[in-house]
Amino acid sequence: QVRLVQSGPEVKMPGASVKVSCKASGYTFTNYGMNWLRQAPGQGPEWVAWISGNTANTNYAQNVQGRVTVTTDTSTNTAYMELRGLRSDDTAVYYCARDKGVVPGTFDYWGQGTLVTVSS
Amino acid sequence: DIQMTQSPASVSASVGDRVTITCRASQSIRNWLAWYQQKPGKAPNLLIYVASSLHSGVPSRFSGSGSGTEFTLTISSLQPEDFATYFCQQTNSFPWTFGQGTRVDMK
Repeated sequence: QVRLVQSGPEVKMPGASVKVSCKASGYTFTNYGMNWLRQAPGQGPEWVAWISGNTANTNYAQNVQGRVTVTTDTSTNTAYMELRGLRSDDTAVYYCARDKGVVPGTFDYWGQGTLVTVSS
Repeated sequence: DIQMTQSPASVSASVGDRVTITCRASQSIRNWLAWYQQKPGKAPNLLIYVASSLHSGVPSRFSGSGSGTEFTLTISSLQPEDFATYFCQQTNSFPWTFGQGTRVDMK
């Protein structure tokens, strides 16, 4: 079965960087794109970034562009999201979520979430 | 960016009730719309994609309709496990955007 397992919670100072991992299993990793989303308390999800499964093409939300990088390691079927220059409003639960095959932008499997707290 | 607006923000209902949630897009998204269910402390779960297609394993009491700018999610007979928050999301163009959510709670 498809599983996406994310790394554990992080607490960071303002201005620091964080790197979250998402290990995939149960499907052919390179056949599907991977997305990163975040959700602040009491808010709806916010899409952050996308990376293709096979070509490593990327697309980023404008409000984090320049601070975020998403990568994949196809040898370990793991996706990564690095966010730099952390601010208090980056505090959120971050999710990885797989593209639903032929329907890009539809997320059929999600990781369990990683809480990133930015606080001095 | 395409803005998604859901109504109502919350609805109180009883087991067995029919519940309808509306989602409006700020411009036409054809049928590129998904619906998700989220329970507290958990990741969202996909229910419906391309406006009306039921995701694998989702009970048939959930249905979606609409096209262009107006869409609905209907739960035909609310079950205890359906008390949750529901989000619509446009999949027409980057950046993918979500509605603010509709909370379904017990009357």
